[in-house]
Amino acid sequence: DAKTTQPTSMDCAEGRAANLPCNHSTISGNEYVYWYRQIHSQGPQYIIHGLKNNETNEMASLIITEDRKSSTLILPHATLRDTAVYYCIVRTPYGGATNKLIFGTGTLLAVQP
Amino acid sequence: KAGVTQTPRYLIKTRGQQVTLSCSPISGHRSVSWYQQTPGQGLQFLFEYFSETQRNKGNFPGRFSGRQFSNSRSEMNVSTLELGDSALYLCASSLDTSTNEKLFFGSGTQLSVL
Repeated sequence: DAKTTQPTSMDCAEGRAANLPCNHSTISGNEYVYWYRQIHSQGPQYIIHGLKNNETNEMASLIITEDRKSSTLILPHATLRDTAVYYCIVRTPYGGATNKLIFGTGTLLAVQP
Repeated sequence: KAGVTQTPRYLIKTRGQQVTLSCSPISGHRSVSWYQQTPGQGLQFLFEYFSETQRNKGNFPGRFSGRQFSNSRSEMNVSTLELGDSALYLCASSLDTSTNEKLFFGSGTQLSVL
């Protein structure tokens, strides 16, 4: 079973920041939080990942709470092309099971014009 | 740099038949993993190959099998197809499995079983 809980769907106005929450209260100390998104009829696309510090890249920012039990993915200026299902995944980086991603149901983000 | 390539893009089969799907990873990537996506079950891990060896396997029946070739290309096979095997089959590649590598997914093969 997935170790994360996400809202089923969210709306966001174009040009505004989209804040997608994720709960991972059972995360272990060496597990990373990863975010992928899947645009309709395409394969999932990597967005960002982090362990305990906040992370930022050209696509998004990841804010992880101090107790690491939850995180928020921030798309600073959402566009219509950001409409997708966003998956929050807890992943162990070491050992033989690293690429066995356990996907939950994700959050369908609908960016409205 | 070319992405992960999956062929064919669409496939229609009938119950009882078998099917082979192909995946060409990004050049230099040695790990290939397969996922099944259905509306009811979502994205589920099938198996992963690294250097021609299966490293992990999900909870799927033995009708689902795979292999990886020396050039890292991978194939998955489903025998005795059932209606419930209709799904989007996704392949993902990464450099290796020992570090925090991102997975790069292909666009998938949409399999319809009639």
